[in-house]
Amino acid sequence: GAVVSQHPSWVICKSGTSVKIECRSLDFQATTMFWYRQFPKQSLMLMATSNEGSKATYEQGVEKDKFLINHASLTLSTLTVTSAHPEDSSFYICSARDPRGMKKLFFGSGTQLSVL
Amino acid sequence: AQSVTQLGSHVSVSEGALVLLRCNYSSSVPPYLFWYVQYPNQGLQLLLKYTSAATLVKGINGFEAEFKKSETSFHLTKPSAHMSDAAEYFCAVSGTQGGSEKLVFGKGTKLTVNP
Repeated sequence: GAVVSQHPSWVICKSGTSVKIECRSLDFQATTMFWYRQFPKQSLMLMATSNEGSKATYEQGVEKDKFLINHASLTLSTLTVTSAHPEDSSFYICSARDPRGMKKLFFGSGTQLSVL
Repeated sequence: AQSVTQLGSHVSVSEGALVLLRCNYSSSVPPYLFWYVQYPNQGLQLLLKYTSAATLVKGINGFEAEFKKSETSFHLTKPSAHMSDAAEYFCAVSGTQGGSEKLVFGKGTKLTVNP
């Protein structure tokens, strides 16, 4: 079946540095991918919708300059957390919509980010 | 606006016992409801979804859920738990059938199955 690969699965970084997370659709082309964030014991919250070849659409309250999203190809979207701070420590998860058939959403396995 | 409440962040059952994971929703439009499962170190997988066809929805791995509009509920059940069912389960609501970008998730319920 369709698979979405997310990398890395966990990352530790120093405060002030930037971290890039990749999300790949492995056997379908995804014009739309989604980025979520989950704090401990909280819901997954949609951060932004990544559109291939155009700017991402951010949800209210999400800083677009801090969370840079690039969807340069039909199989890859990246989320860059710029100038990370400890409060950015969270679980980030992506999903991609398979445009074929039932247009199912497939999720990556997530990235645990810890900012020291 | 839409929201989901999952009652109980942790549920523990014995192997072979009934599994009941509770989900209540709030939606200003006819909802589409989903249950996802996340096994350790894996992405979310769709278990089942309600799209206004039948109120009792059967999913994978023996799970099913019943949409009850009067109770605004969409509880997930399985008659007999298996050790492999241990995972985290998320209920989600959307205003679109595809279950796309405006999915609103609950906080999740971690299911433990005891031998």
